[in-house]
Amino acid sequence: GENVEQHPSTLSVQEGDSAVIKCTYSDSASNYFPWYKQELGKRPQLIIDIRSNVGEKKDQRIAVTLNKTAKHFSLHITETQPEDSAVYFCAARTATGANNLFFGTGTRLTVIP
Amino acid sequence: SAVISQKPSRDICQRGTSLTIQCQVDSQVTMMFWYRQQPGQSLTLIATANQGSEATYESGFVIDKFPISRPNLTFSTLTVSNMSPEDSSIYLCSVAVSGGLEQFFGPGTRLTVL
Repeated sequence: GENVEQHPSTLSVQEGDSAVIKCTYSDSASNYFPWYKQELGKRPQLIIDIRSNVGEKKDQRIAVTLNKTAKHFSLHITETQPEDSAVYFCAARTATGANNLFFGTGTRLTVIP
Repeated sequence: SAVISQKPSRDICQRGTSLTIQCQVDSQVTMMFWYRQQPGQSLTLIATANQGSEATYESGFVIDKFPISRPNLTFSTLTVSNMSPEDSSIYLCSVAVSGGLEQFFGPGTRLTVL
């Protein structure tokens, strides 16, 4: 099955700086890559996703890039704010088999005011 | 996105008992899933709830321990059977919409087993 690795496990940035979280996947058939934000005690929330036919997608301060050849994708948050502090999970869905989402291990982002 | 609710939101149970968690969606969805999230950990898929047929379980999860029902396209239940303290976790319902790509999560059920 799919194996998703995520780095770093923790990340601290100063308010206003950028944050980058990276994930790699193993199954070249994977075609959908969402990112979730989970605040303490809350449910994971889908914040952005990218499909395999697209290299980059932006939504205000958040962007995701995908390199299919290298099988890695990244989340970029610019102009970070304290409310960006949360755990972020990447995931990948393969186009074969059960089409399940496989999650990375998570990154705890802390934005220091 | 769909509005997903779960009941109960939390519970404290005794070892050896069972708990059934309900998941209700405000619209018909193609796929429903059950995940477990242990403290400080990632999300682990337990099973896919199939409407009108037996659930599809992931490696390490069995029907006798986690029986699942999905009687229609808006409702599913997960039962945690013969509980032990190791079952203490957050259990999340998730649904897929928009042709099955985007996936959203319910608020979760926090289970503590004493």
